[in-house]
Amino acid sequence: GQNIDQPTEMTATEGAIVQINCTYQTSGFNGLFWYQQHAGEAPTFLSYNVLDGLEEKGRFSSFLSRSKGYSYLLLKELQMKDSASYLCAVCTGGGNKLTFGTGTQLKVEL
Amino acid sequence: DTGVSQNPRHKITKRGQNVTFRCDPISEHNRLYWYRQTLGQGPEFLTYFQNEAQLEKSRLLSDRFSAERPKGSFSTLEIQRTEQGDSAMYLCASSPHTTDRAGNTIYFGEGSWLTVV
Repeated sequence: GQNIDQPTEMTATEGAIVQINCTYQTSGFNGLFWYQQHAGEAPTFLSYNVLDGLEEKGRFSSFLSRSKGYSYLLLKELQMKDSASYLCAVCTGGGNKLTFGTGTQLKVEL
Repeated sequence: DTGVSQNPRHKITKRGQNVTFRCDPISEHNRLYWYRQTLGQGPEFLTYFQNEAQLEKSRLLSDRFSAERPKGSFSTLEIQRTEQGDSAMYLCASSPHTTDRAGNTIYFGEGSWLTVV
């Protein structure tokens, strides 16, 4: 079966750094995605990791350890607009089907 | 706008009625996906197409659900005899089919909200 775990909620302060963790157990692995989703809107692509290590893209970084079934999304210099749900998704099987976690609702406070 | 386009964005229907959603993927993306999302949950895979071929269907896709992509471009998702449990956001996504990493990026549309009353 497929199991993806991430915290339900997190709160952080504007300007700070936050790390959102994701652990997974899946049959098959073709990479791990992070998406941002604001309420009522579509998921927006943030990052993709298929090899172990850190991928940096501006204020966002994502890390993957395939042997540990673990990833994290790091958000730096938090802004109020970063308040959203962050979805971890594992790509499995042919056709790049995504299996999503339930999402981590991040609240950025002043 | 060259993103994934879905319509209608919102649909309210009575239980037992049929509804159809349309998705126009990003031009030249030959893979197209349908997902369903309910409040507080991540999207759940329903089905996907490569060109006009429907290659995989989830067990979630009961016989009341049917999806087509007749010419390998736009796709439709029809739900027959809707039930209140069908109320959700139906998301369409597309991706190119290449061997490089960019080929694995999957882009979502803004979704079609269905409310069954």
